[in-house]
Parts: sequence; C-alpha cells; structure tokens
Amino acid sequence: NAGVMQNPRHLVRRRGQEARLRCSPMKGHSHVYWYRQLPEEGLKFMVYLQKENIIDESGMPKERFSAEFPKEGPSILRIQQVVRGDSAAYFCASSPPPGLSSYNEQFFGPGTRLTVL
Amino acid sequence: SQQGEEDPQALSIQEGENATMNCSYKTSINNLQWYRQNSGRGLVHLILIRSNEREKHSGRLRVTLDTSKKSSSLLITASRAADTASYFCATDAWRSNYQLIWGAGTKLIIKP
Repeated sequence: NAGVMQNPRHLVRRRGQEARLRCSPMKGHSHVYWYRQLPEEGLKFMVYLQKENIIDESGMPKERFSAEFPKEGPSILRIQQVVRGDSAAYFCASSPPPGLSSYNEQFFGPGTRLTVL
Repeated sequence: SQQGEEDPQALSIQEGENATMNCSYKTSINNLQWYRQNSGRGLVHLILIRSNEREKHSGRLRVTLDTSKKSSSLLITASRAADTASYFCATDAWRSNYQLIWGAGTKLIIKP
C-alpha cells in the first residue's frame, strides 16, 4: 500500500507564474489536508477536503490560492501569480473516513518544496 | 497563534542519553500527536495520545499528557544518531478533531 504521494517534490517558479501541487492520498483514504511550512516554523493548516467537497478552507489565503479534490485523480493545490512569500514546503496528508479506528491520524506525504524566484 | 509550542527549541545530546521534549497547548483537545521530520523530508507519525490517557509507550518512545497543565512530553530513551530530526507536537483544534495545530518544533541533534 503506497503512502501519500506528492509531486513534484521540488518546484521552482518565477513571480507571477502559477504553481500546481498534486497529492494522491493513501488507498482507501477519502480525506485530504494541505499544510504549509515556512522555514524554521511549524506546519499551518490550509484546507481540508473530501472528494468533490471542501470541508474547511479557513487556513487558505483569500486570494490566489485554491484547492480541489475531484472524484477522480489527485487533490490539487493551485497558487496563482506566485510571490516570493509563497516559497515554502507544502505538505499533504490523508486520513480514512471518520469512524474508523485510526481516525484523526493523518498520514503525510513527502512534501513539495516551492521556490519562487 | 500556534496551539502547540515545543520546548526546547533545540536540544543537543550525546548518543545513548535520553532526550526529553515538551509541548504546551492552550485550549481543550481531543488528542495530541507527535511527529518527526528528518531534515528536508516529510513527517512521520510517532504516537497519538488521547485526552483521557496519561502515558503511552512505543518502543523507545514514552509520551505523557497532563491535561490539567495542558502539556505533554516526549521522551526518547537510549538515543541514536538516527534520532536526529525535528520533533513536532500537533493538537486537534478545539472545535473539530481534524484540523491539526502545530508548534514550531524541537530540533534534536544526537552527537556520536
């Protein structure tokens, strides 16, 4: 059973370009979370999604950031018109549906390191 | 502000010694989790302790939780060079049990 997969692992963009980060959850997991980690800081929650549904996006910046988790395919975190301050590691985590014994244990991917030049 | 705050920010010990890291939080929680992050890598879940538990063990790891003091500690016994990493505590937000709130982490360095 493969773990949570994220790609690309490293992404370099120039200011003003778009960044697309992908996350494939573990098999059987229907919930996906995105976190951002700035250098020397802890992770900060961004968004929580189920397939075709955003549950909580209270941690997402109001502009330029969007996330989706379609019925088929990976979850996508999209950052439009990137700025230098967007440079960070973006982690995706997945968990099984609520009610199972391991609920609330989030399994993390390796992260995508975004560098904005 | 961050819910979880780790203490100390950095810790350097000799291989074989025990390492203790602490985490404090501000609001009521359902559970508290500890994660490890090796430099430049993803996070690895170490242990989850529920609010009605006081102590939990997993191999060389021992976690305690004191809900009256809103604090937790992670003890790594007989440390090894491979334990060198950053350790984070994460708590679930008081109004939900899915959104994890993270501290800045403790950087642990094990000297050979």
